[in-house]
Amino acid sequence: SQTIHQWPATLVQPVGSPLSLECTVEGTSNPNLYWYRQAAGRGLQLLFYSVGIGQISSEVPQNLSASRPQDRQFILSSKKLLLSDSGFYLCAWSPFSTYEQYFGPGTRLTVT
Amino acid sequence: AQKVTQAQTEISVVEKEDVTLDCVYETRDTTYYLFWYKQPPSGELVFLIRRNSFDEQNEISGRYSWNFQKSTSSFNFTITASQVVDSAVYFCALSEASSDMRFGAGTRLTVKP
Repeated sequence: SQTIHQWPATLVQPVGSPLSLECTVEGTSNPNLYWYRQAAGRGLQLLFYSVGIGQISSEVPQNLSASRPQDRQFILSSKKLLLSDSGFYLCAWSPFSTYEQYFGPGTRLTVT
Repeated sequence: AQKVTQAQTEISVVEKEDVTLDCVYETRDTTYYLFWYKQPPSGELVFLIRRNSFDEQNEISGRYSWNFQKSTSSFNFTITASQVVDSAVYFCALSEASSDMRFGAGTRLTVKP
């Protein structure tokens, strides 16, 4: 069966520090991968999605970037965090050519 | 552009009551997919159901049921005999064939014992 992992689970970082969140999927190949952000008490905002290695589409211009160095690995990064980057970051995957997405456990990021 | 509206921000019920969560969507495509997800306090989104635009048949899964009506662009979710474990935020989502999934703002359901 397929599983999706995210780490770290929680992170507290000062403003201006770098960020690296990692997401990996097991038990499938060539998945579509997604990064979402959920601000406190709000809905989900799609940040990036990827249909293959090295292929990244950005939904919202911002302080963040994403990379997909391997088929089942998706990384969210920032060079300098802002206070507004605080939130709950969710990684998701969907099987190629289908539409439902399956989510990881999330990373709760607090920028101080 | 696709859009999903969940007008109910918060709902509170007492255990064993039935509750319906509303979802209204907008799309110009004839082919699209609708979803419901549950987000318990732990934070992880749990996939509940997917319906495609060509299948208006209602679905029942245990205490959960879904009513899809294209005439009113609605995809409502009913929990029968609610339980405390049903307390969560529920998201409705829409995916057109040529674009990504868009989520509604979510409805926070609280089931009191």
